[in-house]
Amino acid sequence: NAGVTQTPKFQVLKTGQSMTLQCAQDMNHNSMYWYRQDPGMGLRLIYYSASEGTTDKGEVPNGYNVSRLNKREFSLRLESAAPSQTSVYFCATARDSPNQPQHFGDGTRLSIL
Amino acid sequence: GESVGLHLPTLSVQEGDNSIINCAYSNSASDYFIWYKQESGKGPQFIIDIRSNMDKRQGQRVTVLLNKTVKHLSLQIAATQPGDSAVYFCAEKGEGFQKLVFGTGTRLLVSP
Repeated sequence: NAGVTQTPKFQVLKTGQSMTLQCAQDMNHNSMYWYRQDPGMGLRLIYYSASEGTTDKGEVPNGYNVSRLNKREFSLRLESAAPSQTSVYFCATARDSPNQPQHFGDGTRLSIL
Repeated sequence: GESVGLHLPTLSVQEGDNSIINCAYSNSASDYFIWYKQESGKGPQFIIDIRSNMDKRQGQRVTVLLNKTVKHLSLQIAATQPGDSAVYFCAEKGEGFQKLVFGTGTRLLVSP
């Protein structure tokens, strides 16, 4: 039982390159989330998906797109990477009942030069 | 807007001591709170949660206390061990279904 799996674990890009971060879960959760984590800041929500087929913007969506491919998979795409997008990206899932904790993957460390 | 913060960015304790990590929240309407532990190179790991109809909740070696009057949350770790060294985040339920607002974290350092 892997929980939440993110790939790749590390990536270095040049400015302007595109990249898709993958997230897959085997927890049978409906809700999935993408966060970024920067030094000295709390996790900030980029996009989320309350269920298969739906996606919504979070706090910092600019420069990103997402796809909820099916119940298990939720991908995050950077169409034209910028140095400001250097960060650690975390995917999370949660049950769709109220007041449930989110469960996180181990992150993708992305550097943009 | 909503904000969740921590009083101390770093807490150093001796192995075997009890640790207390504090958190202030700003949204008095929040009804759900979570503590996470994050080890270096890992994702946040759920520790314990509490709903606003409770003042205290206990887990294995951990206790969360909620004081709604002053909008304060704390995590107590009993008999702290070196393996407890990590960054601890509090989070509160934000506006919108299943959204969470995270604090910036407190680093706990446990010395043998």
